[in-house]
Amino acid sequence: GENVEQHPSTLSVQEGDSAVIKCTYSDSASNYFPWYKQELGKGPQLIIDIRSNVGEKKDQRIAVTLNKTAKHFSLHITETQPEDSAVYFCAASSPAGGSYIPTFGRGTSLIVHP
Amino acid sequence: EPEVTQTPSHQVTQMGQEVILRCVPISNHLYFYWYRQILGQKVEFLVSFYNNEISEKSEIFDDQFSVERPDGSNFTLKIRSTKLEDSAMYFCASSERSPWVVPQHFGDGTRLSIL
Repeated sequence: GENVEQHPSTLSVQEGDSAVIKCTYSDSASNYFPWYKQELGKGPQLIIDIRSNVGEKKDQRIAVTLNKTAKHFSLHITETQPEDSAVYFCAASSPAGGSYIPTFGRGTSLIVHP
Repeated sequence: EPEVTQTPSHQVTQMGQEVILRCVPISNHLYFYWYRQILGQKVEFLVSFYNNEISEKSEIFDDQFSVERPDGSNFTLKIRSTKLEDSAMYFCASSERSPWVVPQHFGDGTRLSIL
């Protein structure tokens, strides 16, 4: 089955800096890659996603890049703010066998210091 | 903005007891999911539900688990005889269309503590 590795487990940055979180996946058939933000005491909230027919997608301060050859994808947050502090999860979905069950990474705890 | 709501926020149960976790998905959504997150670990898929039946389930979702949509609004997860290792956050999610390539909306979870 799919295996998603996520790094780093903890990321500490100063307000205004950029933050990059990286994920790798194992199943070359995976074609949908969502990113979720989980604030303390809340459920995961989708912040951006990318499909395998594009290499990069941007939404204001957030961007995601995908390298299908290398089987890795990354989340980039620019001009970080204290409210960006949360746990971020990447996930990968493959349609293999008709199933799109997402496999999640272990999460990255992002801390933005004012 | 419509939300997925889950009750209770925290459930404490003795080992071996049955527990029912409740969810109210977003009203026009047709696909429903349960996930589990053991403390400090990754989110894991349990089951998906559509048209009053299970569409997919993971290895975690064994005979001790069941799901039901008893009326037009609630979606429940039942654990028949709880074990210590069932202690986790349980998240309900729903999506408008099938199934994985549209955003899933998550609730804030129920923390289940088994004593």
